Amino acid sequence: DAGVIQSPRHEVTEMGQEVTLRCKPISGHDYLFWYRQTMMRGLELLIYFNNNVPIDDSGMPEDRFSAKMPNASFSTLKIQPSEPRDSAVYFCASSSSREYEQYFGPGTRLTVT
Amino acid sequence: AQTVTQSQPEMSVQEAETVTLSCTYDTSENNYYLFWYKQPPSRQMILVIRQEAYKQQNATENRFSVNFQKAAKSFSLKISDSQLGDTAMYFCAFMRTNTGNQFYFGTGTSLTVIP
Repeated sequence: DAGVIQSPRHEVTEMGQEVTLRCKPISGHDYLFWYRQTMMRGLELLIYFNNNVPIDDSGMPEDRFSAKMPNASFSTLKIQPSEPRDSAVYFCASSSSREYEQYFGPGTRLTVT
Repeated sequence: AQTVTQSQPEMSVQEAETVTLSCTYDTSENNYYLFWYKQPPSRQMILVIRQEAYKQQNATENRFSVNFQKAAKSFSLKISDSQLGDTAMYFCAFMRTNTGNQFYFGTGTSLTVIP
């Protein structure tokens, strides 16, 4: 398996623009997680899905952030409109209810100017 | 809420020496899992080792081993024969088994292996 795939790897955008981050989990995994990592706040859980259904989105910063999982092999995290304080590395991770450990993608480094 | 504490923001060790990273957690649960993840400068998060709370035997993976003290809620990581490639940020994580696969991460320990 190729592991968790994220795209793009780097994204630079201007304040006010819409940003869409994409994730393909490992085949057969039924959990998907979106994290944000910054120097100031460390690793934060934004939202997670189980069998494509959002379970806990309490970590989503505000209404500008939204996440979807239309099927078992694809998820998106959208920021609209983006702000400079959204600059961070965004990770997607997936796991199985049989094994528990989370497998992380390579991350997307987002810079909002 | 579950909390995970890593009290050592930064550590260093000489190559070939042994180093221990500390982690404590707070929970009222009896069944859970604990993990150590490594994040090298490439920023990829890599699983190092995992421990099931119901197992008394400490987990071991090659040069990496844990000292799991359930009563003390302590889960330290020992790295033996440290190598330059071990230089990374290390995160401790806790997961309950009865409420989904959600992880609670510590703030991390930055480890530098000195040649």
